[in-house]
Amino acid sequence: GQNIDQPTEMTATEGAIVQINCTYQTSGFNGLFWYQQHAGEAPTFLSYNVLDGLEEKGRFSSFLSRSKGYSYLLLKELQMKDSASYLCAVPSTGANNLFFGTGTRLTVIP
Amino acid sequence: DADVTQTPRNRITKTGKRIMLECSQTKGHDRMYWYRQDPGLGLRLIYYSFDVKDINKGEISDGYSVSRQAQAKFSLSLESAIPNQTALYFCATSDLGQGFGNEQFFGPGTRLTVL
Repeated sequence: GQNIDQPTEMTATEGAIVQINCTYQTSGFNGLFWYQQHAGEAPTFLSYNVLDGLEEKGRFSSFLSRSKGYSYLLLKELQMKDSASYLCAVPSTGANNLFFGTGTRLTVIP
Repeated sequence: DADVTQTPRNRITKTGKRIMLECSQTKGHDRMYWYRQDPGLGLRLIYYSFDVKDINKGEISDGYSVSRQAQAKFSLSLESAIPNQTALYFCATSDLGQGFGNEQFFGPGTRLTVL
């Protein structure tokens, strides 16, 4: 089976950098996804990591360590619009669907 | 136009009523999913379908049924709604040959309230 742990809530200041951590357990690793979800809206894809290391995409970067079962999402130059929930997800056993963590709700304050 | 659409977007109903939520997609994806989202519980899989003839139960299928009428349409039914089915429901699609394989594309959601 799968298990994902993320902090429930985080607060950060506009313009700052924030790191959202995700630890996971899965019986067969097949990549890790990060999604962004604004309140009441659909989750939208942010990043996908299958190899160890850092993937950078503009203000957002995602890191993966398969040996540690650990990933983080790094958000730089925070903007108010970055206030949202960030969901970590891994493919389920057999890769039939995605298993989602409960998400980290990030609040960006002025 | 949105690639994945859901109707209705909001619905209030009473205990015991039959409800159908509909999902349509223009992405040409074979795989479709229904999730529910509750505060503090994240997204949980109800049912999924890999093609018109394939239907599979997810983590929380009790009290729900689905129909895959066509590649582009996947409906979720609550035969007799109960209050603890009040939630935000999402439809999603994926295709192993597109995006990052298991990457899922979500509809806008249906907010269902059962009184």
